[in-house]
Parts: sequence; C-alpha cells; structure tokens
Amino acid sequence: GAGVSQSPSNKVTEKGKDVELRCDPISGHTALYWYRQSLGQGLEFLIYFQGNSAPDKSGLPSDRFSAERTGGSVSTLTIQRTQQEDSAVYLCASSLAGNYNEQFFGPGTRLTVL
Amino acid sequence: AQTVTQSQPEMSVQEAETVTLSCTYDTSESDYYLFWYKQPPSRQMILVIRQEAYKQQNATENRFSVNFQKAAKSFSLKISDSQLGDAAMYFCAYRSHLGGYQKVTFGTGTKLQVIP
Repeated sequence: GAGVSQSPSNKVTEKGKDVELRCDPISGHTALYWYRQSLGQGLEFLIYFQGNSAPDKSGLPSDRFSAERTGGSVSTLTIQRTQQEDSAVYLCASSLAGNYNEQFFGPGTRLTVL
Repeated sequence: AQTVTQSQPEMSVQEAETVTLSCTYDTSESDYYLFWYKQPPSRQMILVIRQEAYKQQNATENRFSVNFQKAAKSFSLKISDSQLGDAAMYFCAYRSHLGGYQKVTFGTGTKLQVIP
C-alpha cells in the first residue's frame, strides 16, 4: 500500500513569501504529525492532529506557522512571511491512534529560504 | 519534561562487524515506550525496533537488538553483522504510556558510517 507522501520534495523561496507544504497520510491513520528537522538536529515537534479532536499546536514556533487537516486526511502546513531560519526539512508522519503505534514518515520537504 | 540524549554524533563500523549506538533518557514515569528510527540519505525515517518499558526482555529484530537498562535509563541499539545499507542517521525516541495522546521526544541522532 501507499506510504505517507509529501509535496513538494524541495521548495526554494524568497524571504517574505508564503509557502504551503502538503502531506498525504496513510489511509486509515487517524493521527498526523508535523516535525521540523534542521541541519544536524533532531526532530522538532510542530503540530499534531488526531481524528476530530482539537490539534496540539504547542510546537509551532511562531504565529507565522499554521496547519490544517481537511476531512481527517490531507494536511497542509503553511508558513507565512518566510524567514531564513525557517530553512529546514519538514517531515510529516501518520499513525494509528495509540502511543504504542509506530509513526510512518514521509520523505519530507526540504525548504530553502533565500 | 522528558529528554533524550544521544551522545555520539557520529560512529563508524567495518562491514560485518558489530556496533552499539548509545541513548539515555530522563523521565519520572515508570511506563513508557522507546523507539529506534533509521533515517537513510533518502530522508524517509523507518522504525527499526521498539521496547515497552514494562517488559524486561530486550527487543530483537533480526540483526538489531537493544540493551534496555531501566534503572540506568539507557536504551542502546546493537547492530550485528553491519551492512552497507545500515549507513544512516539513527534516532532514539521516547513516548509516555500515559493515557491519551503523548508527544514523541527524539534525540539529536547518531550518524552511522559503514566502511566496506
């Protein structure tokens, strides 16, 4: 079956522009996560969606970052007025509900802000 | 808050040899899950192995095994008979067993090089 997909795989943008990153989770996975991975760093949690519950947005670094998940499936992470420090790989993961279950990761979107 | 520490930014191993990657964590909880994820150059992270804290037996998956020392809060990954395809970043991760949703905390990773 299809895994988690993300698009675009690479995105180069100019400082100040808005960008949208897309994540298609595995069908049937109710949990969806966004992480940011800066060069040489671990994974920084951004936001979590679970079913119809209110998302956990506690990891979003500023109000320039937002995300939505439509119909409990596809998710879009939006970064407004991008800054150079936003350059990173943005990873999406999905899983079944439950803390034991593994997260299945997408290949990520590499964002470069010039 | 829980923290996960991987003190080895880089490791290398000869092909067919054995290597151990270290991970320590800090928590006040007694029940939790621990994971090792592998991230090859393709960036796609995959689960290597997981351990439930209430299980004393160390988890094993083929050439991958863990040494889980609960009292020491240590969770090392042993890779036996290393293969070129094992070259990747390896991340240790912690997740609480408490009810409801719990965040996953990742370490900063260890880059493993496999030398032919």
